[in-house]
Amino acid sequence: DTAVSQTPKYLVTQMGNDKSIKCEQNLGHDTMYWYKQDSKKFLKIMFSYNNKELIINETVPNRFSPKSPDKAHLNLHINSLELGDSAVYFCASSQPGTAIYEQYFGPGTRLTVT
Amino acid sequence: AQSVTQPDIHITVSEGASLELRCNYSYGATPYLFWYVQSPGQGLQLLLKYFSGDTLVQGIKGFEAEFKRSQSSFNLRKPSVHWSDAAEYFCAVGAPMNSGNTPLVFGKGTRLSVIA
Repeated sequence: DTAVSQTPKYLVTQMGNDKSIKCEQNLGHDTMYWYKQDSKKFLKIMFSYNNKELIINETVPNRFSPKSPDKAHLNLHINSLELGDSAVYFCASSQPGTAIYEQYFGPGTRLTVT
Repeated sequence: AQSVTQPDIHITVSEGASLELRCNYSYGATPYLFWYVQSPGQGLQLLLKYFSGDTLVQGIKGFEAEFKRSQSSFNLRKPSVHWSDAAEYFCAVGAPMNSGNTPLVFGKGTRLSVIA
């Protein structure tokens, strides 16, 4: 019973294509995130959604469009893929409104753009 | 703005030796502090966290970390390293907001290699 799952785990595609990564959490959390891990392993927040509403967008290009159909899902759609988009993308979730919170991460999606 | 510095990019230790991974943070108040581990090709697993109270926190897999406010540090330690501990370790800071939905700010990670 995976807490945060992502599909696909690996994604290889060519420049200019459009692709989507899906994320689902079964923890009942209200907040979900997308992080990008670059080739140097640096992790940085991209988006944060709380109960299906976008609350954080960290100067990510417009080619990236997150979509949250319900609070258990946060998908990431990327248009016109570029070489620099190659990275590992991690989805995470947390539960706001609690004094102590932690983020649970998915296994990551390794995107390779050729 | 919050920031996290992990001064050591790569550390190599012998199996059975002790380990200390350094982490310094920058934040205006007492932050929430975390250590995550990432094994090769895997996601992030939480090792331990600090919010308040006892400054020495115990985590999983025999790890512990000590919060030192005066040094703005949250170093991770393990008394005896096992070969399976070889991984990338990330220190992270989160703002202590009531909403609890702020993203984490990560350090750049420290890669741990374990030799026989």
